[in-house]
Amino acid sequence: DTGVSQDPRHKITKRGQNVTFRCDPISEHNRLYWYRQTLGQGPEFLTYFQNEAQLEKSRLLSDRFSAERPKGSFSTLEIQRTEQGDSAMYLCASSYWGGLAYTDTQYFGPGTRLTVL
Amino acid sequence: GQQLNQSPQSMFIQEGEDVSMNCTSSSIFNTWLWYKQEPGEGPVLLIALYKAGELTSNGRLTAQFGITRKDSFLNISASIPSDVGIYFCAGNKSGGSNYKLTFGKGTLLTVNP
Repeated sequence: DTGVSQDPRHKITKRGQNVTFRCDPISEHNRLYWYRQTLGQGPEFLTYFQNEAQLEKSRLLSDRFSAERPKGSFSTLEIQRTEQGDSAMYLCASSYWGGLAYTDTQYFGPGTRLTVL
Repeated sequence: GQQLNQSPQSMFIQEGEDVSMNCTSSSIFNTWLWYKQEPGEGPVLLIALYKAGELTSNGRLTAQFGITRKDSFLNISASIPSDVGIYFCAGNKSGGSNYKLTFGKGTLLTVNP
């Protein structure tokens, strides 16, 4: 069990540029979540996948954000036309969901710190 | 927005002291979790609580799931310098099939050696 990994760990970009982040979940975990965390706050839910299906998106996820999980394994989060307000830590978490009897405990990756200049 | 009220916001204690922090909500949560986050890292799961009234320990950490399902507390006994970090409570309503987590704002713990 290698844990959840995220790449890159840090990204600095200029306003208006596009950025893409990758998350590799714990192997055999079928659920994958994206959260955003700003300074002094707890993580806030953005979206989640069960296998390759994106089942829910938060209102925080504007049209400039898109997430994919094409083969039900790794996921990417893309932000188009970045704005300074997008600066945050983007966290990925994974869990195993086997039905209503399961508790879906989420394990987080180290995060990607995005700075938009 | 976030629905969990976590207190205190920060604590500065001496090594060896016990610590208590809590989390309350205006609505019911069916699972409570406690995470620890260090600078530049993601949250690390400490304790997960799945049943109202449940009391669970993990080494020097003890957490309880409130009977009303609207609160939880975390205790750390005999604190050590490596306990420094931000502690977050999180809950999910586990209704239907969506288990997205709602987090508190965190408790910043500083331990003076």
